[in-house]
Amino acid sequence: QVQLVESGGGVVQPERSLRLSCEASGFTFSSYGMHWVRQAPGKGLEWVAVISYDGSSKYYADSVKGRFTISRDNSKNTLYLQMNSLRPEDTAVYYCAKGSSWSGVSWGQGTLVTVSS
Amino acid sequence: QSALTQPPSASGSPGQSVTISCTGTSSDVGGYNYVSWYQQHPGKAPKLMIYEVSKRPSGVPDRFSASKSGNTASLTVSGLQAEDEADYYCSSYAGSNIVVFGGGTKLTVL
Repeated sequence: QVQLVESGGGVVQPERSLRLSCEASGFTFSSYGMHWVRQAPGKGLEWVAVISYDGSSKYYADSVKGRFTISRDNSKNTLYLQMNSLRPEDTAVYYCAKGSSWSGVSWGQGTLVTVSS
Repeated sequence: QSALTQPPSASGSPGQSVTISCTGTSSDVGGYNYVSWYQQHPGKAPKLMIYEVSKRPSGVPDRFSASKSGNTASLTVSGLQAEDEADYYCSSYAGSNIVVFGGGTKLTVL
């Protein structure tokens, strides 16, 4: 069965960096686009970024463009989100999701990122 | 990248039907057949319930149905059950390889 396990969250000061990882199993990782979606405490879902199956195409929400970078290592079945210049408003649970037809077909359990001084 | 509009809350009694709307524009909901619906229970990850406007993934009960008319998509839950109480989110492809979500609707089973 599909399993997605996020890691790398924690407490970080504003303007610092953090890298999230999402380890995938149970499907052919290299055949699927992958998304990052976040959810601020008590708020709704916000799409963050998507990467194509081979990593050649990457797209971002305006709110993170220029600060976040999505990447993947298909040899390790792992998706990444490099987050730079973090702001308090980036505080959220970050989910990775297996993509298909512009949907998140399967989701991880999420990892919490808290940006605070 | 404006969020899609959903009512903040909806409710119904067990056995009844409830419909949740999701309003966008011709640049997202109205322009593509890539509307999805997610169910999220408190403290849990979202679960895909509907994709491509009206298709159900394997394992999703047929009590869940969805459609789209113009710039508005709708999710209908028939035969409400207690376990259907959750937050529901719509999303849509918005062109230029961007996805937008709705603000979410809290469904209460009375």
